[in-house]
Amino acid sequence: DSGVTQTPKHLITATGQRVTLRCSPRSGDLSVYWYQQSLDQGLQFLIQYYNGEERAKGNILERFSAQQFPDLHSELNLSSLELGDSALYFCASSVEGGRGTGELFFGEGSRLTVL
Amino acid sequence: KNQVEQSPQSLIILEGKNCTLQCNYTVSPFSNLRWYKQDTGRGPVSLTIMTFSENTKSNGRYTATLDADTKQSSLHITASQLSDSASYICVVITSGAGSYQLTFGKGTKLSVIP
Repeated sequence: DSGVTQTPKHLITATGQRVTLRCSPRSGDLSVYWYQQSLDQGLQFLIQYYNGEERAKGNILERFSAQQFPDLHSELNLSSLELGDSALYFCASSVEGGRGTGELFFGEGSRLTVL
Repeated sequence: KNQVEQSPQSLIILEGKNCTLQCNYTVSPFSNLRWYKQDTGRGPVSLTIMTFSENTKSNGRYTATLDADTKQSSLHITASQLSDSASYICVVITSGAGSYQLTFGKGTKLSVIP
């Protein structure tokens, strides 16, 4: 158990809909990262937050948005869903936001299926 | 552009055999390199970290090497077990100016068969 909690574990929805994925980082971790992993693909970095502020942005679509709340949990909002958005969405956390060893603790992922 | 290339893309070996996974990177400035193991449908878990000054590090049956001059790393698995079946991901970390960036490889999918 990494200590990172993601909900929901599974989600099935229709094209055009909007969903929200939630992540609670490990106790004490200030950084939260979101990754997308499509079937048999590598992890694609979406966005990073550090202590409530956006720190880095990757290949995140404009239809997607995220935020980190004062209690450090984070939400990833996916809207106008398309079939191609079906994927595993991972949240990871780390204690540092600056210089660090790059050790991320990953949650178990939220599997999104768009029909 | 920072890139991490892993080879082979996939590998099938018999239980009990050894194997070596490769990672080549073009990342600058280099801070450290991690190998992660990702079981199917699960989140990745860190196996080992290699800093600039380290050449070899072992974690049980896993041994990672780093050649900072050629920008190559390898992960050697000895006496493979069925539970080693997973994707192994190489991640290179750059650090500086108050932030750091992680560049992920696409991973090597290892299948260990009886």
